[in-house]
Amino acid sequence: DAGVTQSPTHLIKTRGQQVTLRCSPKSGHDTVSWYQQALGQGPQFIFQYYEEEERQRGNFPDRFSGHQFPNYSSELNVNALLLGDSALYLCASSWGTGELFFGEGSRLTVL
Amino acid sequence: AQTVTQSQPEMSVQEAETVTLSCTYDTSENNYYLFWYKQPPSRQMILVIRQEAYKQQNATENRFSVNFQKAAKSFSLKISDSQLGDTAMYFCAFRAAGNKLTFGGGTRVLVKP
Repeated sequence: DAGVTQSPTHLIKTRGQQVTLRCSPKSGHDTVSWYQQALGQGPQFIFQYYEEEERQRGNFPDRFSGHQFPNYSSELNVNALLLGDSALYLCASSWGTGELFFGEGSRLTVL
Repeated sequence: AQTVTQSQPEMSVQEAETVTLSCTYDTSENNYYLFWYKQPPSRQMILVIRQEAYKQQNATENRFSVNFQKAAKSFSLKISDSQLGDTAMYFCAFRAAGNKLTFGGGTRVLVKP
């Protein structure tokens, strides 16, 4: 049984570009959450998707957007990248409000 | 808004000894959950232990136990018989309604042989 899988593992972008990160939830899970973890800090909640809709959102600008597909997988999109967007982006899945299972993250570097 | 504070940036402990990590939180909620997560160099967050606020009994999972003081809003983690594989970042986290987690800044634990 595969856990939460994220792609890509690492990527490098330049300021102003756009990026899409992908997440496949653990089998049987229907809810996907995204977190941003800057170097040396704890993760910060970006948003959560359930039934293909954004259900909760943290304190992030509209440049951060997402999508959930009918198979429960999810994408995180970030537009107009800033240097400060460099971070580890973690995806977590759950069945409803049950225990969260995390992926290994996508490391984004913005130059 | 909830806040979670971990005041110890780094802790070191000898193998087989005990280490205690501190965590305090601030909330006006009465029903909530508290968690400790471990993040090794592989980057994946792994749940270590959880505590429901309505339970007075402190949670225990093998070598890991917590000291939950609800009135003081304190939630410390004790790692007993430390092993080299316990070396990692440890994050305290809070959850009220919904599934949103609020994390502390983390404590790096180094287990020395």
